[in-house]
Amino acid sequence: QIVVTQEPSLTVSPGGTVTLTCASSTGEVTSGYFPNWFQQKPGQAPRALIYATRNKHSWTPARFSGSLLGDKAALTLSGVQPEDEAHYYCLVFYAGVPVFGGGTKLTVL
Amino acid sequence: EVQLVESGGGLAQPGGSLRLSCAASGFTFSNYWINWVRQAPGKGLEWVANINEDGSEEYYVESVKGRFTISRDNAQTSSDLQMDSLRVEDSGVYYCARGTIRVPGADFWGQGALVTVSS
Repeated sequence: QIVVTQEPSLTVSPGGTVTLTCASSTGEVTSGYFPNWFQQKPGQAPRALIYATRNKHSWTPARFSGSLLGDKAALTLSGVQPEDEAHYYCLVFYAGVPVFGGGTKLTVL
Repeated sequence: EVQLVESGGGLAQPGGSLRLSCAASGFTFSNYWINWVRQAPGKGLEWVANINEDGSEEYYVESVKGRFTISRDNAQTSSDLQMDSLRVEDSGVYYCARGTIRVPGADFWGQGALVTVSS
């Protein structure tokens, strides 16, 4: 069974920078896994932020960026805003089969 | 405006069935994969199933294979998820999500339908 691992929780100060990562039990996460990132706030549906490693949707704020960092996929928030407090999920594709990470609860404090 | 609206959630007994529907509008439905994703209470997201543009390919997470069936009707711009032999652990909010065109992903999501499996 493939397991995708994210930090369970992170805390960042307003205006700061934070990087969330996404690791695979199969080894290195590459662009061929097409990592996606989603934001979910309480009581809301997930909102797509990043697709295919680093591509932003038209609605994705500029402060969000996706990349590969070492053997993981990464989501970096620069100039964090209070409204960025949320759960963040990565999604990677193994031969086309999607697997979500367990999610990171980001606290802005 | 892209919209996805789920319906059909509710209460079912273990071993029972429910059928969820996802009504799509605001885009050319037949050009996109459709995904179903669920979220158990207080837990993370779990991909459940998806179907390709013309309905010729279907994929499922291992835990629902043989119990759930995804389908789509491009004329009606809708997708269904037939859930049989339901288990308590199938409880949660079920979302339909449009696949990202040309690359794997999920861009637009519905608001979700609550499924509760309990005796």
